[in-house]
Amino acid sequence: DAEITQSPRHKITETGRQVTLACHQTWNHNNMFWYRQDLGHGLRLIHYSYGVQDTNKGEVSDGYSVSRSNTEDLPLTLESAASSQTSVYFCASSVEGSGTEAFFGQGTRLTVV
Amino acid sequence: GENVEQHPSTLSVQEGDSAVIKCTYSDSASNYFPWYKQELGKRPQLIIDIRSNVGEKKDQRIAVTLNKTAKHFSLHITETQPEDSAVYFCAASPRGGGYNKLIFGAGTRLAVHP
Repeated sequence: DAEITQSPRHKITETGRQVTLACHQTWNHNNMFWYRQDLGHGLRLIHYSYGVQDTNKGEVSDGYSVSRSNTEDLPLTLESAASSQTSVYFCASSVEGSGTEAFFGQGTRLTVV
Repeated sequence: GENVEQHPSTLSVQEGDSAVIKCTYSDSASNYFPWYKQELGKRPQLIIDIRSNVGEKKDQRIAVTLNKTAKHFSLHITETQPEDSAVYFCAASPRGGGYNKLIFGAGTRLAVHP
């Protein structure tokens, strides 16, 4: 079955290290998104992409970057991890078109110590 | 950019009662308003959505209403059951970005007590 998967599910890293979270979908969706979830803030958009070689900044993009070299993957990189980036990260994807359902991955719990 | 506010942050009801969650949005051009349910430790999943050309939509015990003039929309759950206990998120799809990205509210934690 087609799906969207994130890896790793859990990660602990040290302040200042570079970290990459993987997101892979097999639906051939053009749209892919990264959100972070923190208590009291809901889901905040970090970066998003509408197709290969397209990337855009979201609401809370500082300290994060993404690249889209193929349709299936949108890795999220924390360039220099900070304690404020401790969070649960969700990747999502949706079909091209106005107002379409976003399907979420299982989430990655990242702890920066 | 789009801003979505959601109230209340927590809601506690008795089984069988109704629950209402309200959201307001800032971008008058937003045209798609989904609601997601997230159970503890799980991923958010779509439960119902509404588009700007519709005022109300119903699916069994859940319904969503949209008031474009006032820029607010609401989720109504009737005959609540313990399995309705979860965090609910509203979202809006703003014009900026081609109506594809979703901006979420902060969430409402609903507890249904037997």
